[in-house]
Amino acid sequence: QVQLQESGPGLVKPSETLSLTCTVSGGSISPYYWSWIRQPPGMGLEWIGDIFYTGSTSYNPSLRSRVIISLDTSKNQFSLKLSSVTAADTAVYSCARVDWGRFDPWGQGTRVTVSS
Amino acid sequence: QSVLTQPPSVSGAPGQRVTISCTGSSSNIGAGYDVHWYRQLPGTAPKLLIHSNNNRPSGVPDRFSGSKSGTSASLAITGLQAEDEADYYCQSYDSSLSGYVFGPGTKVTVL
Repeated sequence: QVQLQESGPGLVKPSETLSLTCTVSGGSISPYYWSWIRQPPGMGLEWIGDIFYTGSTSYNPSLRSRVIISLDTSKNQFSLKLSSVTAADTAVYSCARVDWGRFDPWGQGTRVTVSS
Repeated sequence: QSVLTQPPSVSGAPGQRVTISCTGSSSNIGAGYDVHWYRQLPGTAPKLLIHSNNNRPSGVPDRFSGSKSGTSASLAITGLQAEDEADYYCQSYDSSLSGYVFGPGTKVTVL
């Protein structure tokens, strides 16, 4: 079965760029969409954006100016870059496969703190 | 402010039935987009509980059921058990935002 695992720094300084990678195992990147979702402490879920296996992307309008999602099919990975981060970007970041509009499965999530 | 609205909390005694509403608008649930439900246990990632309005993934007990009508959807849990204490989120697609949206989540407490 498909499994996802997020990786990346757990601490990012304000104004810098948050970079995370999601590794997909047990299945192929194609022909699915792959998504990033975040959850600030004590709060709800926010969709960040997604990428199709062809490389086309969609982003949350509220984050579009700061987000880039990319794909490395040779490594079965996709990545998130969020620039100019502030404390409001502190959250658990999760990757997930998009299957007919639903998110399944999810990675376990990785906590990212924005602090100097 | 979430595009989808859910009650912050619901509670019930063991064995009882509880329902969680998810209210949207004409650009998401009312536009015909499917509603999906997730359960999040403390300290873990959300897990798909109901997909496409009323379908249970393999392994989800039939105590969980979903429905959708108009601009709203509901999740029902019958035979409430202590292990059902968790946060529950609805999710759909919004054509105005051209993206996926979640409800704010509902905390289920077993009394």
